[in-house]
Amino acid sequence: SYVLTQPPSVSVAPGKTARITCGGDNLGSKSVHWYQQKPGQAPVLVIYYDSDRPSGIPERFSGSNSGNTATLTISRVEAGDEADYYCQVRDSSSDHLYVFGTGTKVTVL
Amino acid sequence: EVQLVQSGAEVKKPGESLKISCKDSGYSFTTYGIGWVRQMPGKGLEWMGIIYPGDSDTRYSPSFQGQVTISADKSINTAYLQWSSLKASDTAMYYCAKPSGGSWSYFAFWGQGTLVTVSS
Repeated sequence: SYVLTQPPSVSVAPGKTARITCGGDNLGSKSVHWYQQKPGQAPVLVIYYDSDRPSGIPERFSGSNSGNTATLTISRVEAGDEADYYCQVRDSSSDHLYVFGTGTKVTVL
Repeated sequence: EVQLVQSGAEVKKPGESLKISCKDSGYSFTTYGIGWVRQMPGKGLEWMGIIYPGDSDTRYSPSFQGQVTISADKSINTAYLQWSSLKASDTAMYYCAKPSGGSWSYFAFWGQGTLVTVSS
């Protein structure tokens, strides 16, 4: 089955930029979606189709996808951005239709 | 506005059966699917399966095939996840989620989660 690999943790100071990577074989040929999950809460979609933002998601959240790596970028990081972040693809060629990444814990210093 | 409301937390013993629910109060229950996602304590998200209530087409992740049953009742816009014989390793938070986009490729809406605890 398709595997999406993320770094376990990323630390960033307030006001700086956090970049969270998601790696997969030929990932650039797929659409990547990103979710934010705060402790005790359900996941929230923050980026879809590589770089689109749902309404209500700040412009500070952006995404890109090329080659074997997709990246979620959080600019001007705030304390409220501290959360787990997961990438996800739909793999219609597999019985594992929806694949989530391993998850990255973002810590705001 | 789509809203997915899940049933409450459950505490069960190993070997017991369980059925949890997810009520969709939003749009087109029969057009879009409802998926289920497991999150074990301190772990990541795992897709379990999805049902398309319009024709009851159901797809399971190979990791969960035969371990759970996903069903839906169109008359009350509700999807279900059930176990016939729970194990301690089924202890987890379970989320229902509604897919969106072309080929329903991402989950735009999520339920609040149902915590299932299996312990003797």
